[in-house]
Amino acid sequence: GIQVEQSPPDLILQEGANSTLRCNFSDSVNNLQWFHQNPWGQLINLFYIPSGTKQNGRLSATTVATERYSLLYISSSQTTDSGVYFCAVGETSYDKVIFGPGTSLSVIP
Amino acid sequence: NAGVTQTPKFRVLKTGQSMTLLCAQDMNHEYMYWYRQDPGMGLRLIHYSVGEGTTAKGEVPDGYNVSRLKKQNFLLGLESAAPSQTSVYFCASSFLAASTRTDTQYFGPGTRLTVL
Repeated sequence: GIQVEQSPPDLILQEGANSTLRCNFSDSVNNLQWFHQNPWGQLINLFYIPSGTKQNGRLSATTVATERYSLLYISSSQTTDSGVYFCAVGETSYDKVIFGPGTSLSVIP
Repeated sequence: NAGVTQTPKFRVLKTGQSMTLLCAQDMNHEYMYWYRQDPGMGLRLIHYSVGEGTTAKGEVPDGYNVSRLKKQNFLLGLESAAPSQTSVYFCASSFLAASTRTDTQYFGPGTRLTVL
């Protein structure tokens, strides 16, 4: 099956700093989503982005499907950005979504 | 709308006991999913359903059964719980197939299960 890797596994930022999270996947995908899991465990969908670039406030994401990677940008980070960021991809032939291992982000004041 | 809800939020079982987790959604979504989340491993798909009356296996289906008798409900059963099933269980739903169409998954708050 498809393999999903995320980097870095852990990241500590000073409040106000910018960061880039990366997601690599091993095969063609029909779907790519970025999720944020907050410290209380709640999973929130950030972007549906199988290709191209999207922006939502301080967050933006870019997927280059032909090169099998996606990037999540966080600008002017805030303590509320802390949590785990997951990339999830949908396999072309199946109705399944595969999650990466996540990037754990801690933003310190 | 309540979105996706899960019952119960917490549960402690002894090895060999059985239980059923309930997922309910009020968004008229066709697709529903059960995941488990273990430390350092992200979310792994247990079973999923593409519509009322249908179910299919995910990545880690062993030891679990599911049923989708009503469109809005997706049940996850553990017939004989084992300590390896200690985990946080998440349910999700989407209007269209999350892997093939332009739609996103909506997640419930999770159920924390401990098997002693």
